[in-house]
Amino acid sequence: GQNIDQPTEMTATEGAIVQINCTYQTSGFNGLFWYQQHAGEAPTFLSYNVLDGLEEKGRFSSFLSRSKGYSYLLLKELQMKDSASYLCAVMDSNYQLIWGAGTKLIIKP
Amino acid sequence: DVKVTQSSRYLVKRTGEKVFLECVQDMDHENMFWYRQDPGLGLRLIYFSYDVKMKEKGDIPEGYSVSREKKERFSLILESASTNQTSMYLCASSLMGEVGQGKTEAFFGQGTRLTVV
Repeated sequence: GQNIDQPTEMTATEGAIVQINCTYQTSGFNGLFWYQQHAGEAPTFLSYNVLDGLEEKGRFSSFLSRSKGYSYLLLKELQMKDSASYLCAVMDSNYQLIWGAGTKLIIKP
Repeated sequence: DVKVTQSSRYLVKRTGEKVFLECVQDMDHENMFWYRQDPGLGLRLIYFSYDVKMKEKGDIPEGYSVSREKKERFSLILESASTNQTSMYLCASSLMGEVGQGKTEAFFGQGTRLTVV
């Protein structure tokens, strides 16, 4: 079967760095997405990786290793507004998105 | 900016009622999706559509149907609402782009929190 695993919850301190991991087993691979979802709101797109390596976008970076079925989202200089759930999703060989359950990130002052 | 609009933010319906959830997007996207989101579970795909009048079942289509008469509008129908359909419903749209171009991300509506009593 297809499976996306990510930690349920993480806690970090304002100003620090946090890494949210995602491992996947899917039927084929056509890219991995990270989304941010604040409580009660819709998910919003953060990043897309289809090749191995690191993609940097401001305070957020996303890494992919296809051979290991592994990705992480790195958030630097954490701010209180970064408190949200972070969703990992993989596009499979049928171009369908397979979603992880999300990681709830709690930022403490 | 891409805008995906769902007709209601909150809905309360009675068991057995027929429920319509409407979704409209304004960016001429080919693909549209209906998901439900429940605590501890990932987004689960109910139905999707890649063209007008086309529809495909997702992972959990039972108890639902959809309609796409116009490109910008995708409706989710609960034929006879049941309490286990209480959930957050999310509509999304995306371009039919080539993978690798980074243009295939989905844009979501604000969600409809449906409670069936």
